[in-house]
Amino acid sequence: DGGITQSPKYLFRKEGQNVTLSCEQNLNHDAMYWYRQDPGQGLRLIYYSQIVNDFQKGDIAEGYSVSREKKESFPLTVTSAQKNPTAFYLCASSTPHGTGNTIYFGEGSWLTVV
Amino acid sequence: AQSVSQHNHHVILSEAASLELGCNYSYGGTVNLFWYVQYPGQHLQLLLKYFSGDPLVKGIKGFEAEFIKSKFSFNLRKPSVQWSDTAEYFCAFSDSSYKLIFGSGTRLLVRP
Repeated sequence: DGGITQSPKYLFRKEGQNVTLSCEQNLNHDAMYWYRQDPGQGLRLIYYSQIVNDFQKGDIAEGYSVSREKKESFPLTVTSAQKNPTAFYLCASSTPHGTGNTIYFGEGSWLTVV
Repeated sequence: AQSVSQHNHHVILSEAASLELGCNYSYGGTVNLFWYVQYPGQHLQLLLKYFSGDPLVKGIKGFEAEFIKSKFSFNLRKPSVQWSDTAEYFCAFSDSSYKLIFGSGTRLLVRP
């Protein structure tokens, strides 16, 4: 089936450790995104990528890093520099802009830092 | 800076009441506009979208939205809500790039 797969679904890490969240899509979409969802704050854009080997910072990129070596994959690393990493992380991909740029979401990853 | 404002953070309605959720965006160029819904325990689903043509857009489950360019608004409406519409609703827009910006969301509670 076509879709977006995020893993792991639940992740616990100790403070000070880096952690990488996986996102894979088989929809042949050019653009991919990472959002963070916190209660009362909606979805905030961390990074997005329009094409392979290129990515742009979103509104809250500090403490995060990404790579886009393959069209299908857009992993997110939450570094120890991120001050409040415990959150729900959503990966997404979208159709070309000219067709309405519809965005499709994965099921999310819960990260808890203790 | 580009942004989306959803003025109602929490809305409580009785079944059969009419719904209108406000959404305003700040960007001077061409935009694509979206409403997404997140039902309890589920992931985000697209309700409707506007990217050109008729500014009155009809979506799934009886929802519609009207794009008013002069007001930078894209309000969501439904003439008669049901208990199953209880969810969180997000307005979003994208500009000429792929950047997609979301509002902070509106939690709707429909009482039976």
